[in-house]
Amino acid sequence: QKEVEQNSGPLSVPEGAIASLNCTYSDRGSQSFFWYRQYSGKSPELIMFIYSNGDKEDGRFTAQLNKASQYVSLLIRDSQPSDSATYLCAFVSYNTDKLIFGTGTRLQVFP
Amino acid sequence: DTGVSQNPRHKITKRGQNVTFRCDPISEHNRLYWYRQTLGQGPEFLTYFQNEAQLEKSRLLSDRFSAERPKGSFSTLEIQRTEQGDSAMYLCASSAGPGGAGYGYTFGSGTRLTVV
Repeated sequence: QKEVEQNSGPLSVPEGAIASLNCTYSDRGSQSFFWYRQYSGKSPELIMFIYSNGDKEDGRFTAQLNKASQYVSLLIRDSQPSDSATYLCAFVSYNTDKLIFGTGTRLQVFP
Repeated sequence: DTGVSQNPRHKITKRGQNVTFRCDPISEHNRLYWYRQTLGQGPEFLTYFQNEAQLEKSRLLSDRFSAERPKGSFSTLEIQRTEQGDSAMYLCASSAGPGGAGYGYTFGSGTRLTVV
């Protein structure tokens, strides 16, 4: 079992819709969870992190964490074509300082 | 704050040659990480430093790979006797604190290695 599972996509949504990206993880010692966005040919950039169960909102982005279900998600409201990218889920385990990344979900927002 | 700088941006080398990459982190960041990324995959952890101390190295990393951060500032990653399977994007990242406390990484633009 992979440490972080993400559907590779592509996930296609129309402009203005809500995009929902999901991630499951296997390590129950996971502490913090991160979402990164990576445009084609570019390096990952941090969108947001979450460490408490529940929702965390930042602008059009909402991260949701459910530690009991080992599930983290990212919602993008009012999706724009400029949101088209690969979204990487990552976590930090309790006894280490490294981020473990998933393979990413490719999002396509069409006009 | 000029971000994380990596050099070179691209490197083409012949199989069997040695290559060295450099990473200059954000100046106030004491943590530095090296990752490798191939097409369609997420970044794969290689090693990380806190100041000049190398605290963890991936078990997947062969002994052909070595990294240093001699003065706790810039870091180098060397690959000896390169193989075609080493072809990838090598990413460097830095952070101001531990990931467990919510400090995310800032990534550099990467060095794309092609082994021919």
